[in-house]
Parts: sequence; C-alpha cells; structure tokens
Amino acid sequence: GENVEQHPSTLSVQEGDSAVIKCTYSDSASNYFPWYKQELGKGPQLIIDIRSNVGEKKDQRIAVTLNKTAKHFSLHITETQPEDSAVYFCAASPDYQLIWGAGTKLIIKP
Amino acid sequence: DGGITQSPKYLFRKEGQNVTLSCEQNLNHDAMYWYRQDPGQGLRLIYYSQIVNDFQKGDIAEGYSVSREKKESFPLTVTSAQKNPTAFYLCASSIIAGANTDTQYFGPGTRLTVL
Repeated sequence: GENVEQHPSTLSVQEGDSAVIKCTYSDSASNYFPWYKQELGKGPQLIIDIRSNVGEKKDQRIAVTLNKTAKHFSLHITETQPEDSAVYFCAASPDYQLIWGAGTKLIIKP
Repeated sequence: DGGITQSPKYLFRKEGQNVTLSCEQNLNHDAMYWYRQDPGQGLRLIYYSQIVNDFQKGDIAEGYSVSREKKESFPLTVTSAQKNPTAFYLCASSIIAGANTDTQYFGPGTRLTVL
C-alpha cells in the first residue's frame, strides 16, 4: 500500500525567511496531494492541494510542487510570519483514502 | 453556518466503560471518516463510510465501532476492548468524486482521556 514520509520533523526558521517541507510517496497511482495545517488542540485545516496533472500551485505565500517521476512533493512558505507556527501534514491519495505523513512542527523565531 | 461539529470537546472515561463520540456535518458530504491522533504523530484511520448504512474498517479499527444511519451523522464508540484509548479523535467528511477522494474537512476534535 501507499507510504508517505515527511521531513523534517521539526523546522525552525527566522521570521521573514522561507520554509520548505518535503514528502515522498511510494504508490505511483496516487493522484491527489493535500497539505494541512494543525494548530494546537484543533482539527487540521487544508491550506493547499495539488493533483497529479499539475506540477506547481501557488496561493499567495504558499506553494506546492510535485515531481511525479521522483515521487515527491514539497510545501514552500515564503515571508514566514508568527501565525505560520503550527504542525503541517502532507498526505497522498491513490484512491478514496488519504495516507498521511507524520507531520512537521514549524517554529517561527521572532 | 456549514461545517463539522464534534462533541464533547473533552471526555473522561473510566477503564472498562464504553463511550460514544459524536460527529455531525451539514455539508451534504457523502463520505465521513474517523481518525485517531497520538501526541507528536500523524493521523491514523479508524473507520470510514462512503454511504449511509455502509462503513469499512481502517488501519486501527480494533476496539472501535461506528454506525451511519443518517448522512449527516457518524458516531464513534470506543469500547472497553480498546487497549489504549487515550488520544485525540478527529472526524472528517468529503465529497466522493468518482474513484478518487476530494478534500477532507475536519471537525475540531474530541480529546478522550481514560482515568
């Protein structure tokens, strides 16, 4: 079955700098790749997603890139702000389920 | 105001007791899901349902049971057979887009503590 690995587990960046989180997946049938942000004690919220027919998608300070050949996708956050501090999860979907990465705790240093 | 609601937010249970967690959605979504999240870990699928009166086991279904009598509701029962039930439980829903998933929307979660 599908397996998703996410790195790093913790990422600390200076406010205003960029942050990059990477995920790899194993099943070439996966065709949907969402990214979620989870704040402490709350449910995850979708921040951006990409489908396999697209290589890159951008929404203001957030972008996702997908490399189907290498089976990896990445989340890029530019001009980081204190409110970006949270845990970020990637996921991959080969069918009607989501397979989740283990999460990355993003810390924004003032 | 559309969305997914979960209740209660915090739940305490004594060992040996069953407890039921509520999940309701008014998004008219076909599919609903229950996940378990342990500290510092990702989400693990307990059960999911794509249609009323039908549901399937996820990766960690042992010690849990569900029902889907209405499209809007997908309650989860944590039974006394679940060895380590203390966790954060998340409910989600999505549209079914053919054979592929669509975006899953999450509720605020229920934190269950076994005393």
